[in-house]
This record gives sequence, structure tokens and C-alpha cells, in this order.
Amino acid sequence: IAGITQAPTSQILAAGRRMTLRCTQDMRHNAMYWYRQDLGLGLRLIHYSNTAGTTGKGEVPDGYSVSRANTDDFPLTLASAVPSQTSVYFCASSEGQGKTQYFGPGTRLLVL
Amino acid sequence: AQSVTQPDIHITVSEGASLELRCNYSYGATPYLFWYVQSPGQGLQLLLKYFSGDTLVQGIKGFEAEFKRSQSSFNLRKPSVHWSDAAEYFCAVGAGQAGTALIFGKGTTLSVSS
Repeated sequence: IAGITQAPTSQILAAGRRMTLRCTQDMRHNAMYWYRQDLGLGLRLIHYSNTAGTTGKGEVPDGYSVSRANTDDFPLTLASAVPSQTSVYFCASSEGQGKTQYFGPGTRLLVL
Repeated sequence: AQSVTQPDIHITVSEGASLELRCNYSYGATPYLFWYVQSPGQGLQLLLKYFSGDTLVQGIKGFEAEFKRSQSSFNLRKPSVHWSDAAEYFCAVGAGQAGTALIFGKGTTLSVSS
């Protein structure tokens, strides 16, 4: 059982470039999330999806977009990367409201 | 608005000593509460969770936490710390209005001295 996979593991990106971070889960969880983790700030929610076909904005959605075409995949896109988007990005999933969230291994992104 | 406060940014304890990590939350209803641990360069692993019922919750790796509604706290404890417990610990509260998303505290880094 793989759980949640994220790709790439790490990436260096030039400012202004477009980038998609991939997230796939094999647990058939309804809900999926994207967080960014920054030193001293903890984890902050970027976007979420309660079920396939629906998405919502979290605490820090600006500069990011998501889609949820199916249950398993929840890609995060940076349309035009900026240095402030340098961070570690975690994808998570859960069965539903109040259920435990399971996290992927993260993607380390450096925007220059 | 919901929030989570972890007052201690960094704690150092001696191996074999007891540990308590503090967590205070602000939430309008009965919260769902979680403690996660993150080792360097790794993702987050669930230690324990509280949804309802017994206010003393047992988790993995010998950790426990107690929900105290009157104090809006959910402190994490371990009676005897091992060197492998050195990591960053995050408390989180379930934010029901935003689906099932979690609001995290800023984390407490635990160092273990020999």
C-alpha cells in the first residue's frame, strides 16, 4: 500500500515559470488537501477538495490552483512562480470530516 | 476564528526524563484534536487524536494527551523520552467549516540530550 505519493521530491524553479506538483492517493479517500510548510509558520492550508469535482480555498490560496478530476489525484499548479512560494509542500487525504489526515512525503520547492 | 497555539518553540529534555508539550486551541464547538510528529526531512505522522469520549487519549510510541475543555488545552505527554523522539511536534484542530481541513500550530521542536 503506497498511501500518498508526491512528485517531484524536490525542484528548483526559475521565477515566472509554471509548475505542477503532483499528488496521488490509493486509499480511495474522499477529501484531499494541499499545505505549505514554512519555518516558524507551521503548516498552512492552500486548497482542499472534499470530493472529486469540488475544490475550495484555504488560508493561503493566492498564486495556486488545484483540480480534482478524479478521486485519486489532486495536482497543485503554480501558474507563475515567485520566490515567496519557496516552501515544502505536503499533500494529505482523509476519509471525510473529522477523520485522520494522512500526509505524503512532501515536495521541496525552491523558486529563484 | 479557529486557532492553535503551541507556546514552546523549542524544548530540550534529557533522555529518560518526562515530557509535556503544550497545546491550546480556540474553537467554537467540540473540537477534533490531533498531534502529529515530523522527523527531519519527513512527512507528518499521526501520534494520536481526540474526537470524543475519554479525555485521556493513548497514542503510538508511548505518547498520550489529555483534552481539558475548561483550559482549551490538549497537551502531549510521555513519561520517559528516548533519543529517537527528537523531532518536531504539531498540534492541530479540526476546522469543520472548511471541510475537514486542519489548522496547525507552529510546532515545537524537541531535542533530547544524553
